[in-house]
Amino acid sequence: EVQLVQSGAEVKEPGATVRVSCKVSGYSFTDYYIHWVHQAPGKGLEWMGLLDPDDSHTIYAEKYQGRLTITADTSTDTAYMELSSLRSDDSAVYYCATQTGIWGQGTMVTVSS
Amino acid sequence: SSELTQDPAVSVALGQTVRITCQGDSLRFYYATWYQQKPRQAPLIVIYGKNNRPSGIPDRFSGSSSGNTASLTITGAQAEDEADYYCNSRDSSDDHWVFGGGTKVTVL
Repeated sequence: EVQLVQSGAEVKEPGATVRVSCKVSGYSFTDYYIHWVHQAPGKGLEWMGLLDPDDSHTIYAEKYQGRLTITADTSTDTAYMELSSLRSDDSAVYYCATQTGIWGQGTMVTVSS
Repeated sequence: SSELTQDPAVSVALGQTVRITCQGDSLRFYYATWYQQKPRQAPLIVIYGKNNRPSGIPDRFSGSSSGNTASLTITGAQAEDEADYYCNSRDSSDDHWVFGGGTKVTVL
């Protein structure tokens, strides 16, 4: 069974950096892209970026260029999403998902002073 | 980059049929994937490709596509189908994803 398990909720101050992990199992990690998706409270899904675990190639949404870094550790089959210079409107649930449409459970990030 | 447009909300009587549409240029080249999202849950894939249902998704869910429009049809809607539904596809220029704004389905 394909599973993506994300790290737990985070509370960060404005200006800080958050790192969310996404550990995959049930398939070969390098076979499929990993996407990261943002969902603000009561809002829709917004694509942030993707990583090809096979060669670490990334594509980021223009909105997150310069603040977003997506990486992967193939030794642990884990992808990471790091968002810097956090603002209050970054408070949201962050999801990882495979290109085959399987999603992690989501990680709530709260940005508050 | 591409955009996908969905109606914000639709209602359907219990047991009746509802169609949700999604429009966008990328749909001329790529099939839509449809996700169901219930409150406080992660999105769940219900339709992918031409008209494929993952294991465990009831056959009352079906998908179709024509030109720049993709559709998700629920035939014989059940109370448990009440949820937000999002369409998703690859962008027409590169590998990134685009999402529709979501359609809230209310089962009356």
